[in-house]
Amino acid sequence: GDSVTQMEGPVTLSEEAFLTINCTYTATGYPSLFWYVQYPGEGLQLLLKATKADDKGSNKGFEATYRKETTSFHLEKGSVQVSDSAVYFCASRDTGNQFYFGTGTSLTVIP
Amino acid sequence: KAGVTQTPRYLIKTRGQQVTLSCSPISGHRSVSWYQQTPGQGLQFLFEYFSETQRNKGNFPGRFSGRQFSNSRSEMNVSTLELGDSALYLCASSSSPGLTNEKLFFGSGTQLSVL
Repeated sequence: GDSVTQMEGPVTLSEEAFLTINCTYTATGYPSLFWYVQYPGEGLQLLLKATKADDKGSNKGFEATYRKETTSFHLEKGSVQVSDSAVYFCASRDTGNQFYFGTGTSLTVIP
Repeated sequence: KAGVTQTPRYLIKTRGQQVTLSCSPISGHRSVSWYQQTPGQGLQFLFEYFSETQRNKGNFPGRFSGRQFSNSRSEMNVSTLELGDSALYLCASSSSPGLTNEKLFFGSGTQLSVL
């Protein structure tokens, strides 16, 4: 079945450092791909999405490109801030509308 | 517009008991899905309801069940609780499942502790 694998954390970075969180997926079809973020004590919020190959999702300085050839959707940000500290989840959605989430990557940004 | 509301926020139960969790979706949303979140497993899909019908189901035992009412509110029930059921249970709603740009809106979750 479909699944999503993302790099394990926790990740600790200094403010203004470059962030990459790796995510790969397996799917029988052509899923939509998402990054969700969970701030402490809150539910998940959609950060960005891409619905087809080569699409780039972006939001709040974060970017991810749907790479069909490598089945990847890595999250990047050029300069992280303390306020970016959260847990990040990569997810796919199959054509039957079922979502598959990765295990989450905890990010802590220190000043 | 109010967000997804889950009640209660915290629950403490003992093994063998049963529990019912409630989720009120965003007004106008007809799809509700449930997830179990644990530190080691991340989010695991439980089931999804749309217009009072279960559309999808994850790989959980029959002790986990749910339903959806005509006003789209949903409940999840876990019977014969086990220690391993301790988790954050998240509910998410969406307006029209199946659309390419559809996204999930999550509640803050119910933290269940089984002692």
